[in-house]
Amino acid sequence: RKEVEQDPGPFNVPEGATVAFNCTYSNSASQSFFWYRQDCRKEPKLLMSVYSSGNEDGRFTAQLNRASQYISLLIRDSKLSDSATYLCVVPRAGSARQLTFGSGTQLTVLP
Amino acid sequence: NAGVTQTPKFQVLKTGQSMTLQCAQDMNHEYMSWYRQDPGMGLRLIHYSVGAGITDQGEVPNGYNVSRSTTEDFPLRLLSAAPSQTSVYFCASSYSNGQSGYFGPGTRLLVL
Repeated sequence: RKEVEQDPGPFNVPEGATVAFNCTYSNSASQSFFWYRQDCRKEPKLLMSVYSSGNEDGRFTAQLNRASQYISLLIRDSKLSDSATYLCVVPRAGSARQLTFGSGTQLTVLP
Repeated sequence: NAGVTQTPKFQVLKTGQSMTLQCAQDMNHEYMSWYRQDPGMGLRLIHYSVGAGITDQGEVPNGYNVSRSTTEDFPLRLLSAAPSQTSVYFCASSYSNGQSGYFGPGTRLLVL
């Protein structure tokens, strides 16, 4: 299994829809997880951190399933401004100093 | 705070040339790192530093050197540019290793 794998996408959803992305990871010892968003030709920016079973921030919910080793990101009431690539990030196995980034899931919210 | 800054924004090099990508942060972060981003491959860690005077290799260190003489600056040197180093380079910093951080705006490098 790759260290981090994400839904390939792209996801094209209408405004107002609910969309969910999954991310699986191989390092069972990971304690912290992150979701970043990256706009086209811009730098990644932290969206959410996940340290326990999950985290919620407004329309965004991240859930962690340690038994199955996946994390998910749920976006409710999608806005046009949510269009971006979402990156799943997990500490590297054997090296908590290094983070491994997934290749990203592209989301386009359509009017 | 300026956050994480990178220069230059764009650069074109010929094969064999050397150059230094600059990165600076004003948040007093101990941990800094360099990534490259290629289409379909996500960000890959090149080198990182846990503090001034301490650097270590990441996933793809070959062809790159780093140094950390101050907390603020973490330059990345390409020793002899190759077309395979064409990529977008991001510098990042964080309070501690293994934690999320802030990224600079990136440097787009084309090696001909």
